[in-house]
Amino acid sequence: SQQGEEDPQALSIQEGENATMNCSYKTSINNLQWYRQNSGRGLVHLILIRSNEREKHSGRLRVTLDTSKKSSSLLITASRAADTASYFCATDAGWNRDDKIIFGKGTRLHILP
Amino acid sequence: DTAVSQTPKYLVTQMGNDKSIKCEQNLGHDTMYWYKQDSKKFLKIMFSYNNKELIINETVPNRFSPKSPDKAHLNLHINSLELGDSAVYFCASSPRALLGDTEAFFGQGTRLTVV
Repeated sequence: SQQGEEDPQALSIQEGENATMNCSYKTSINNLQWYRQNSGRGLVHLILIRSNEREKHSGRLRVTLDTSKKSSSLLITASRAADTASYFCATDAGWNRDDKIIFGKGTRLHILP
Repeated sequence: DTAVSQTPKYLVTQMGNDKSIKCEQNLGHDTMYWYKQDSKKFLKIMFSYNNKELIINETVPNRFSPKSPDKAHLNLHINSLELGDSAVYFCASSPRALLGDTEAFFGQGTRLTVV
């Protein structure tokens, strides 16, 4: 069953602008991850945030987690053409189910030159 | 060096045929996976193996049979291919089986088209 759901499904912004994508999930989690998929390629891990963390940074990426709202956001600052890709959130399947992660359907991000 | 490599990258075959997709990882990871991504980009786990032992088998038709000869390899054999099997299949690996707590490394995918 699907756990995470990204919003929006698609997003187009000008190069240099910030891009924000959201992920909502249904059941309690231990961790949440974000992955990027370039067209025709495999997924690349971006960041993992634990349920006891509220915010995490990695370069131009900022991830927040609000467990009370069961939601997370991924912010990409100063976007570049190379950021054009699909972005997926992935959550573990809930308490005592860390052995697998469930992906959402992704947000397709398009950076306009 | 490619960390997780899968072959072939493209596979076009007729209904009813049997085909295999191979996957190898050189990361020394204990756990490997097969995922299926459908035309709507929805990514779903099929199988996972930890040290050659099957640990996850998600309601996949028994026409799909994974085989792990050693922990660096996880192959996927599909019998009697159907049109609905058309998708992109991704192999992945991770350092340990608790995938919710660790990073997964993905191969580039095999685009399977059944005609």
